[in-house]
Amino acid sequence: EPEVTQTPSHQVTQMGQEVILRCVPISNHLYFYWYRQILGQKVEFLVSFYNNEISEKSEIFDDQFSVERPDGSNFTLKIRSTKLEDSAMYFCASIREWSDTQYFGPGTRLTVL
Amino acid sequence: AQRVTQPEKLLSVFKGAPVELKCNYSYSGSPELFWYVQYSRQRLQLLLRHISRESIKGFTADLNKGETSFHLKKPFAQEEDSAMYYCALKRTSGSRLTFGEGTQLTVNP
Repeated sequence: EPEVTQTPSHQVTQMGQEVILRCVPISNHLYFYWYRQILGQKVEFLVSFYNNEISEKSEIFDDQFSVERPDGSNFTLKIRSTKLEDSAMYFCASIREWSDTQYFGPGTRLTVL
Repeated sequence: AQRVTQPEKLLSVFKGAPVELKCNYSYSGSPELFWYVQYSRQRLQLLLRHISRESIKGFTADLNKGETSFHLKKPFAQEEDSAMYYCALKRTSGSRLTFGEGTQLTVNP
């Protein structure tokens, strides 16, 4: 069964550095999402992406964040200048159709020092 | 704004006992409700969605619009059910999921 994949599994960075988290959604899926989970807290929606543009974003997704689908397979989340509070697990998800349930990747653990 | 509440962070039962994981929501429209499960070191996986009315791994959940609840139930818990369980809501407009805080279920032998 096809799966959403994410790289790296763990990323350690210094405060103020830029990071790019990568996701490969399931190949025929059209809608893409990023969520994050700070340790001990709930999973929170960040952004959804469809047809090469952001379709919805949360208040967390400020100017420090951006998403891109640079080619036909990857979906990336960039954090321009990381802060300590960006330390979290970041999950990518994808669906083919609006009514589908979301398939999640294994997550990338981001640690900002 | 929508909200999902799972009042129990931790739930511990013995093997063979019934288990109920509570989920309450607030949303003014007609939501779609889901249960996701996360086994140790694995990804979030869909367990149930209310519109399909299935029973998966012995789990069932009924949407009660009057009580705004979507509790997850299993009559006889198994050790392999030990995992983190998340209740989630999708609005009628938009496809984002709003998650509850999660309940860590431990089934003891």
